[in-house]
Amino acid sequence: GQQLNQSPQSMFIQEGEDVSMNCTSSSIFNTWLWYKQDPGEGPVLLIALYKAGELTSNGRLTAQFGITRKDSFLNISASIPSDVGIYFCAGDYNNNDMRFGAGTRLTVKP
Amino acid sequence: ETGVTQSPTHLIKTRGQQVTLRCSSQSGHNTVSWYQQALGQGPQFIFQYYREEENGRGNFPPRFSGLQFPNYSSELNVNALELDDSALYLCASREVGGGDGYTFGSGTRLTVV
Repeated sequence: GQQLNQSPQSMFIQEGEDVSMNCTSSSIFNTWLWYKQDPGEGPVLLIALYKAGELTSNGRLTAQFGITRKDSFLNISASIPSDVGIYFCAGDYNNNDMRFGAGTRLTVKP
Repeated sequence: ETGVTQSPTHLIKTRGQQVTLRCSSQSGHNTVSWYQQALGQGPQFIFQYYREEENGRGNFPPRFSGLQFPNYSSELNVNALELDDSALYLCASREVGGGDGYTFGSGTRLTVV
């Protein structure tokens, strides 16, 4: 089963709203990553985080590597319809075992 | 274009049969991982190969095996297929030391009947 607890499971928001989702683990990770998956496709990397406390942005997306190394969050500002999809957090401890959360399904209403 | 291609895109097999799924990675990507993604779930780590040797494995039985070849291609083999093996199988690769995470293929949808 999944070792990462990702929440919320799903979100329904209006276009233009901000979104926040997070991921926690009982284990520490050396790398946290956030992916987005569209139907019929593999996950696409959004943001990678490599140091505890690191805050990184990619356009309207911002993610942070928790100081305890056991959590991470992803924020999306001013959502647009193409943000629809499933967002996954992933943690990697030793570069040979990347584990995924169960995903957050985002729906954006125009 | 992801640079990682998987074949076939869809496959239907009968319980008890064996299946081989294929992945072609980007040039220079000497690390490849395979994942199983059941409907509505996140990808589950099966195993990872580096320089043609397995160097990490998730909680999957030995009937899940793999191969990695020098030309950056790899295979996932599953023996004695079970109904629960029905899933999307994803291949992901990266260059060791590459700081940009894994690049995923679009997957092979396997249905076991």
